[in-house]
Amino acid sequence: RKEVEQDPGPFNVPEGATVAFNCTYSNSASQSFFWYRQDCRKEPKLLMSVYSSGNEDGRFTAQLNRASQYISLLIRDSKLSDSATYLCVVNMDLDSNYQLIWGAGTKLIIKP
Amino acid sequence: EPEVTQTPSHQVTQMGQEVILRCVPISNHLYFYWYRQILGQKVEFLVSFYNNEISEKSEIFDDQFSVERPDGSNFTLKIRSTKLEDSAMYFCASSLLGRGSGQPQHFGDGTRLSIL
Repeated sequence: RKEVEQDPGPFNVPEGATVAFNCTYSNSASQSFFWYRQDCRKEPKLLMSVYSSGNEDGRFTAQLNRASQYISLLIRDSKLSDSATYLCVVNMDLDSNYQLIWGAGTKLIIKP
Repeated sequence: EPEVTQTPSHQVTQMGQEVILRCVPISNHLYFYWYRQILGQKVEFLVSFYNNEISEKSEIFDDQFSVERPDGSNFTLKIRSTKLEDSAMYFCASSLLGRGSGQPQHFGDGTRLSIL
């Protein structure tokens, strides 16, 4: 089973719509969680950390469900500039070492 | 806002040659990382570095790779005898605390390495 799994998409969404991504992780000992966004041929940029209680930053809301081992990202009122690949990153305890495990990303395309 | 800087932005090298990729992490950060991303594929961890030594490395980071912090600011990745499959984007990252802390990592713009 893949350690961090994401729907690769692409998600084609009209501007102004709400879109949600899920990301599942395999290791219940995972400690911290992040969403990064990556534009084509650019570096990953931290979008937000994901806290147990859930957190919101403007139009973006992240949730963590430890029981089901997934995290989610909700984008409200999507803008053209939200088009990017969204990467789920999980800090996992693997063989007594914490490692950042990256999902393959979900591609989002916002259409006018 | 402080940032991680990487040079060069693009490196073209003949197969079998050595290449050194350079990074200047954020100045007060203590943990440094190298990742690579082959075109169209996921980001892959290579190595982490703390207190002047490697703290973790992946299976990808074999004997042809080495890292060094030659002075107080630079962090380098050396690939000794490059292969075609080393062609990728190489990202340097740094964080204030280690990966078990929950601190996010901040990435440089990357170096695109092309092996001919």
